[in-house]
Amino acid sequence: EVQLVESGGGLVKPGGSLRLSCAASGFTFSSYSINWVRQAPGKGLECVSSISSSGSYRYYADSVMGRFTISRDNGKNSLYLQMNSLRAEDTAVYYCATDPGSRHYFEYWGQGTLVTVSS
Amino acid sequence: EIVMTQSPATLSVSPGERATLSCRASQSVSSNLAWYQQKPGQAPRLLIYGASTRATGIPARFSGSGSGTEFTLTISSLQSEDFAVYYCHQYNNWPPDTFGQGTKLEIK
Repeated sequence: EVQLVESGGGLVKPGGSLRLSCAASGFTFSSYSINWVRQAPGKGLECVSSISSSGSYRYYADSVMGRFTISRDNGKNSLYLQMNSLRAEDTAVYYCATDPGSRHYFEYWGQGTLVTVSS
Repeated sequence: EIVMTQSPATLSVSPGERATLSCRASQSVSSNLAWYQQKPGQAPRLLIYGASTRATGIPARFSGSGSGTEFTLTISSLQSEDFAVYYCHQYNNWPPDTFGQGTKLEIK
């Protein structure tokens, strides 16, 4: 069974930092592109960052470019998102989600971790 | 950036009836369109990709159609567990990809 388990969310002040993690199991992690998709409270979905299976390609939405860094450790079946210079508008549930690589739709999702940016 | 517009924003349908949800793209996305279902407090679940291919484990009452700029998700006979928010998602012009704003399917 495919499992994605996010952790690392919490309350942080504006300008602060957080590191999210996503632990994967039940599939060949190193064969899949992985994404961070966020959802602000009561709002829609936004893919903020993606990383290819090898880690050689990384994508960032304009809204997080220069502040967030995505990485992965295929030996540990883990995905990370380092979030710096956090803003109130980064408040959201952050999901990790797989895509098949050939097409960028989101096949499997974790349960999400809530990030709240507030003073 | 391609804008995805879903209609209606809220759809009220009785159990056992058919529900038809629409999604329009501001320019052609070919068949690179997915649909997701999201229930309160849960992660989205992939229903349809490639505009019409059901994801693994998705019941046959869910069907997708369309190409280019007009897409439809049809639920043939609504079950109680189908009442949720549905999102369309284009990935033809990734990056970036874009989601619709969602259609809430509620019990009539």
